[in-house]
Amino acid sequence: AQTVTQSQPEMSVQEAETVTLSCTYDTSESDYYLFWYKQPPSRQMILVIRQEAYKQQNATENRFSVNFQKAAKSFSLKISDSQLGDAAMYFCAYTEYGNKLVFGAGTILRVKS
Amino acid sequence: DTGVSQDPRHKITKRGQNVTFRCDPISEHNRLYWYRQTLGQGPEFLTYFQNEAQLEKSRLLSDRFSAERPKGSFSTLEIQRTEQGDSAMYLCASSFEGLAGMEELFFGEGSRLTVL
Repeated sequence: AQTVTQSQPEMSVQEAETVTLSCTYDTSESDYYLFWYKQPPSRQMILVIRQEAYKQQNATENRFSVNFQKAAKSFSLKISDSQLGDAAMYFCAYTEYGNKLVFGAGTILRVKS
Repeated sequence: DTGVSQDPRHKITKRGQNVTFRCDPISEHNRLYWYRQTLGQGPEFLTYFQNEAQLEKSRLLSDRFSAERPKGSFSTLEIQRTEQGDSAMYLCASSFEGLAGMEELFFGEGSRLTVL
């Protein structure tokens, strides 16, 4: 079964600084999708960024970018110019096409002013 | 459209009682998912529907759990004879699956169940 591992239970970053959240996954498939979701306290989960495994180029969404290393099965999220509103639980997730999401345990991100 | 809505947002019940949660997905979405999230953990897949058909159920979904999506619109998740271990946040998500490939999942705010 596919698994997703987030080895950092908690991370802190100073406002305006850059932080990287780690994620590794295990799969025998070659075609799949990876996601980072953000879950603010008592709010619904929202998609931050997605990456299709067949694409070699790393996805970027404004201040958010990923480092996708397919051979290493690694998918880290970099947040640049961190803002107070970035404070949340971040989940890495994996799916094969048309299937359910498998989530990691999450990383709490704290942003210090 | 206001997004995925779930009701009730919080339910407190006594062990042994039955509870039902409702999820209204985004109207044009043909897929609907149920996940369970316990404190400090990531969501765990329970089941999903393509229109009205329930296509997959997790082993986590014991026979006390049943989900329906009549007419491919809203969905209900019922838990019979609740146990304290059922206490969790129950998340609903919806998406549109078409020829363009997998689309984004939109999540509701969840229904929190507390079993005393």
